Amino acid sequence: EPEVTQTPSHQVTQMGQEVILRCVPISNHLYFYWYRQILGQKVEFLVSFYNNEISEKSEIFDDQFSVERPDGSNFTLKIRSTKLEDSAMYFCASSQEGPVRKTQYFGPGTRLLVL
Amino acid sequence: AQTVTQSQPEMSVQEAETVTLSCTYDTSESNYYLFWYKQPPSRQMILVIRQEAYKQQNATENRFSVNFQKAAKSFSLKISDSQLGDTAMYFCAFITGANSKLTFGKGITLSVRP
Repeated sequence: EPEVTQTPSHQVTQMGQEVILRCVPISNHLYFYWYRQILGQKVEFLVSFYNNEISEKSEIFDDQFSVERPDGSNFTLKIRSTKLEDSAMYFCASSQEGPVRKTQYFGPGTRLLVL
Repeated sequence: AQTVTQSQPEMSVQEAETVTLSCTYDTSESNYYLFWYKQPPSRQMILVIRQEAYKQQNATENRFSVNFQKAAKSFSLKISDSQLGDTAMYFCAFITGANSKLTFGKGITLSVRP
């Protein structure tokens, strides 16, 4: 069964450094999303992406965040200058066109730790 | 504002028994979708079941079923014949037809006892 994959599974970085989190959505999916989950808290929406542009973003998704689909398979989240409070689990998700568009399938997550 | 409330922080059930996890939501939209996701200790988010608000029939997926009460804005998950592998955090989530973001509840920790 097709799955969303994410790399790396864990990343440790120093405050102020740039990180890029990578995702490979399910191949026939056209809608892509990033969410984060700070330890012990609820899952929060960051951004959605369709047709090579951001379709919706949350207040969390400020200027230090950016997303990109650099090729036909990858979808990336870049955090330009990491802060301690960016430490969280980051989930990529994807969904397909049509009546099931609202059903989002999640990857295994990247655990980011900012020191 | 759209909100999802899971008021029970944790529950425990004996293996092979049935358990129901509660969820309420609030929205002014008429077109929306509801989901339950499972997050085992590995922390992966796994889709368990989905329900379209326009469908009156409750969704069922094998041992998992929902009780969708639209007027009460309630969406509970019933797990029958609980298995040890059902031990996980369960999140209720909601999305409207107008936007693309899932709104999650705080989750409930379910422990299945052998």
